[in-house]
Amino acid sequence: GAVVSQHPSWVICKSGTSVKIECRSLDFQATTMFWYRQFPKQSLMLMATSNEGSKATYEQGVEKDKFLINHASLTLSTLTVTSAHPEDSSFYICSALYREGRNEQFFGPGTRLTVL
Amino acid sequence: AQSVTQPDIHITVSEGASLELRCNYSYGATPYLFWYVQSPGQGLQLLLKYFSGDTLVQGIKGFEAEFKRSQSSFNLRKPSVHWSDAAEYFCAVGAGNTGGFKTIFGAGTRLFVKA
Repeated sequence: GAVVSQHPSWVICKSGTSVKIECRSLDFQATTMFWYRQFPKQSLMLMATSNEGSKATYEQGVEKDKFLINHASLTLSTLTVTSAHPEDSSFYICSALYREGRNEQFFGPGTRLTVL
Repeated sequence: AQSVTQPDIHITVSEGASLELRCNYSYGATPYLFWYVQSPGQGLQLLLKYFSGDTLVQGIKGFEAEFKRSQSSFNLRKPSVHWSDAAEYFCAVGAGNTGGFKTIFGAGTRLFVKA
């Protein structure tokens, strides 16, 4: 099946620094990728939809200047958490849309971000 | 807008017993429906999906789900639970519109399996 990777799998950073998370579709091209955030024991909340070659579409309440998304190629989307603070600590999961017409997504393994 | 409700926050079943996880959705048209499983600290794995056709869908690991339009439900079932099935289960509804595809997840149901 289709494989999506994320890097890094976990990261610890100091408050005020920026962190970049990569999401790659390894064996298929994805014009659309999604970024989710998951707090402990909670569900996945869609943050934004990343479209290759265009600006990301952010969900209501998500700060686009804080969570920068770049989808520069058909296999790579990046999420940069700028000036991270402890409240940004979370599990970030990406997914890639495998078949446009059927909304089949494959999920990455997630990235655990801890901001000290 | 679509939404998903999983009424049970957690469920405990004995190993070997049958399982049913409930899921209700809200969407104006026929949605795409999914069940995912997540082990602690891991990403999501697709168990099964419904797009159209036969309303009883078979998935991996012995799971199945039945789409009931009249009840707006998509309950997940397994006839005999194994200890390794203990995990978090998410029901999700996906739909496309002019803004693109979007998948909304339910709150999840944590399954505990007792020996």
